[in-house]
Amino acid sequence: EAGVAQSPRYKIIEKRQSVAFWCNPISGHATLYWYQQILGQGPKLLIQFQNNGVVDDSQLPKDRFSAERLKGVDSTLKIQPAKLEDSAVYLCASSNQGYEQYFGPGTRLTVT
Amino acid sequence: AQSVSQHNHHVILSEAASLELGCNYSYGGTVNLFWYVQYPGQHLQLLLKYFSGDPLVKGIKGFEAEFIKSKFSFNLRKPSVQWSDTAEYFCAVSYTGGFKTIFGAGTRLFVKA
Repeated sequence: EAGVAQSPRYKIIEKRQSVAFWCNPISGHATLYWYQQILGQGPKLLIQFQNNGVVDDSQLPKDRFSAERLKGVDSTLKIQPAKLEDSAVYLCASSNQGYEQYFGPGTRLTVT
Repeated sequence: AQSVSQHNHHVILSEAASLELGCNYSYGGTVNLFWYVQYPGQHLQLLLKYFSGDPLVKGIKGFEAEFIKSKFSFNLRKPSVQWSDTAEYFCAVSYTGGFKTIFGAGTRLFVKA
């Protein structure tokens, strides 16, 4: 089966610009996750969707980050405006009625 | 707050050496436990998991982990490492009834050929 797809793979932007990431989960997976992984740290959950509803977004900086999952399939994560500290790898993962997650390749964001 | 601690950030071993990576989690009730691995240039992938039953679980590539409930630990072991085990290893915990999976900071393992 096809894995979790993410794009772009790399993005460089200046601070205060906006950026969007896209994720297509494994077909049939109801749960979709966005993580932020800063260099030297483990992934930190930003938001979790169950179908197209939000299950957990307690660690999403809502003043600048937003995410949506229309039709319960693919998802976009947006940052507007970006700050230097947003430089990280943004990981998307999906799972199917369980806790085992399948990860995409990630998007490496550099904010200058 | 719930947290996961990995004891070693960097480990260097020679081939054929034994490996044990420590992982402790904060108390929060019934847990599901995972070890994920990220090989150089690859995605994070599941190495092994514990949901219930036998506390000694076996994963891919000869890895195993033991859940010790009294110590809130889930240490990863391999009796004899290979150069191809060079990777970053993440311990993760999700609390049954909750939804969030919490990851440790990771341990970078380098195996010398």
